[in-house]
Amino acid sequence: DSGVTQTPKHLITATGQRVTLRCSPRSGDLSVYWYQQSLDQGLQFLIQYYNGEERAKGNILERFSAQQFPDLHSELNLSSLELGDSALYFCASSEPSQGAYGYTFGSGTRLTVV
Amino acid sequence: GQQLNQSPQSMFIQEGEDVSMNCTSSSIFNTWLWYKQDPGEGPVLLIALYKAGELTSNGRLTAQFGITRKDSFLNISASIPSDVGIYFCAGQLSGGSQGNLIFGKGTKLSVKP
Repeated sequence: DSGVTQTPKHLITATGQRVTLRCSPRSGDLSVYWYQQSLDQGLQFLIQYYNGEERAKGNILERFSAQQFPDLHSELNLSSLELGDSALYFCASSEPSQGAYGYTFGSGTRLTVV
Repeated sequence: GQQLNQSPQSMFIQEGEDVSMNCTSSSIFNTWLWYKQDPGEGPVLLIALYKAGELTSNGRLTAQFGITRKDSFLNISASIPSDVGIYFCAGQLSGGSQGNLIFGKGTKLSVKP
């Protein structure tokens, strides 16, 4: 157990629908990062939050949004889903002083859009 | 976007053999990291490299941060069946936002007992 909790582990939904993925960071970690892993693109950085504020944005589609709540858990919202959105979505967290060096990944949410 | 070229894409080796994989980029990186991902799990950090020329070991694993800061390699000596998995290089760009990493597409390692 890495200490980063992601729910649900699996999600199957239809095109056009909206889903919410949840991430609870390790205790004490203020930064949360979201990554998308697909077969042909590898791990792609989506977005980073630090202590409730958006810190950096990567290749995140406009149909996707995220937020980090006061208790530091984060949610990734995916809307108007398309078949190509099927992927593994990972959340990682890190301590304030460590940045990327202290990344700990969760076990991911496997999203299947049918 | 920025690219990390990781090779080989896959390797199928005999138990006991040594393994070598590498990552290259046209961009300069401040940090190189090597991760291993097992099926159904998130990537787990194996080795972190912080400065050009640095050579770091973690058990049977050795990694180096290239002098040009544009490449890194990972060696695994005397492979064992539990080394099976996907290995990813990742880097943090010089001048990039602190924290977010660029990943290679992975090297899938299979070990035959």
